[in-house]
Parts: sequence; structure tokens; C-alpha cells
Amino acid sequence: DAGITQSPRHKVTETGTPVTLRCHQTENHRYMYWYRQDPGHGLRLIHYSYGVKDTDKGEVSDGYSVSRSKTEDFLLTLESATSSQTSVYFCAISDPGSSYNEQFFGPGTRLTVL
Amino acid sequence: ILNVEQSPQSLHVQEGDSTNFTCSFPSSNFYALHWYRWETAKSPEALFVMTLNGDEKKKGRISATLNTKEGYSYLYIKGSQPEDSATYLCARGYYGGSQGNLIFGKGTKLSVKP
Repeated sequence: DAGITQSPRHKVTETGTPVTLRCHQTENHRYMYWYRQDPGHGLRLIHYSYGVKDTDKGEVSDGYSVSRSKTEDFLLTLESATSSQTSVYFCAISDPGSSYNEQFFGPGTRLTVL
Repeated sequence: ILNVEQSPQSLHVQEGDSTNFTCSFPSSNFYALHWYRWETAKSPEALFVMTLNGDEKKKGRISATLNTKEGYSYLYIKGSQPEDSATYLCARGYYGGSQGNLIFGKGTKLSVKP
């Protein structure tokens, strides 16, 4: 298994509070991604990073920000959590040029916003 | 966004049945097609990556074919077993977009009854 961990694995928070999810990898892969999984929508890309301090928006980036200060860590922040952000969040990594950008996924974080 | 469509959305079969489902995608700027297997409460795991028109891949009872000219891939499961129950995702990589990004379909959820 690819060395990807996510923390926390479960979190319950209240509307309006800031939340930060962490993705940590030990594979030294250049690309990292944050997805959310919702019924009927599959996986939707929130933000991605193609290197340290290089990030870009995905399909559903509103209300989220990211940071990547080290190769191994990619942080997802909900500045002011809303109930619509209740979801399961998956981090993924890939190594460009390896297996045609096959992505490897972390175990997921279940976030509930009350 | 280059949509990836999967059909059917869900499938219920009996143990021992063979089944197949479809992934359709725009054929322009094709780079690679990925299949993932996603069990409930787990993270997606890579099954196949295919790149060339006419590619066929096989892993045990599961196989996949690729037609890049018409923009589709089929996943076949021979003699389905209860442990095959999962959501099967396909994802397309493409030239010209953000390097490393994949566009995921919403998946086909397979349930195999004993």
C-alpha cells in the first residue's frame, strides 16, 4: 500500500468553525489531491498540488483552501465550515510519468458539520 | 470539464453470473484510462491503467478493454462472487489539461448476492 495517511479520520464540528484536514505521504510523490465523495456525485476534485507551494483549484473549490509547505504534507482548510461540506474527504497522490499518473488514495476523513 | 460517464449506475447480480459495465469518455486528447475498485468504507484501489486503442487487461476474473477512437472502455467480471461487490470507477487522463489530473466517472455499484 502507498504510504498515505489522513488525519483526523473522523471529525464532528459546528457550522462556522474552521477545520483543517491533513494528508501525509511517505512516497515522495510530486502531485497531491483533495477530493470529496458525496452520494450521486462520485469523487469531485477540490484542490490539487503539483509541487511545494504550487496549488490550483479543482471542480468544487469554493469554501476550501489548501497549503503545501513540504512535499509530504498537503493541508485542506475549511475556513468556516457549513453543513454542505459534510462529506468524506479523500487525499490522493501521484507521480507524473509513472503508470500514466495513476493516483493512490488515502483512507479518507469523514467530516460532519452540524 | 471532459465528462466521463459510467453505466449502469448500479447492478445487482447473483453469485456466478458474469457481468459487464461501460465507461464512456470524450476521445480527444486521450492519455490514459484508469479503472478503480472501491469497497464500501475503504478507499479506491487501482485495477488497471490502459493507454492504447485495443488494450486488454486481465486480473483474475476481471478484465477490461479499451476503444480510444470511439471513447469507451468495458469492464467484465466473470463468475461474480460476493467479494466482488464494490463500486467500480473509471477515470480518464488527458493531454492539455493540468498534468496529473484524472476525470472520474460516478461509478457503477455492483452488488453480488450469494
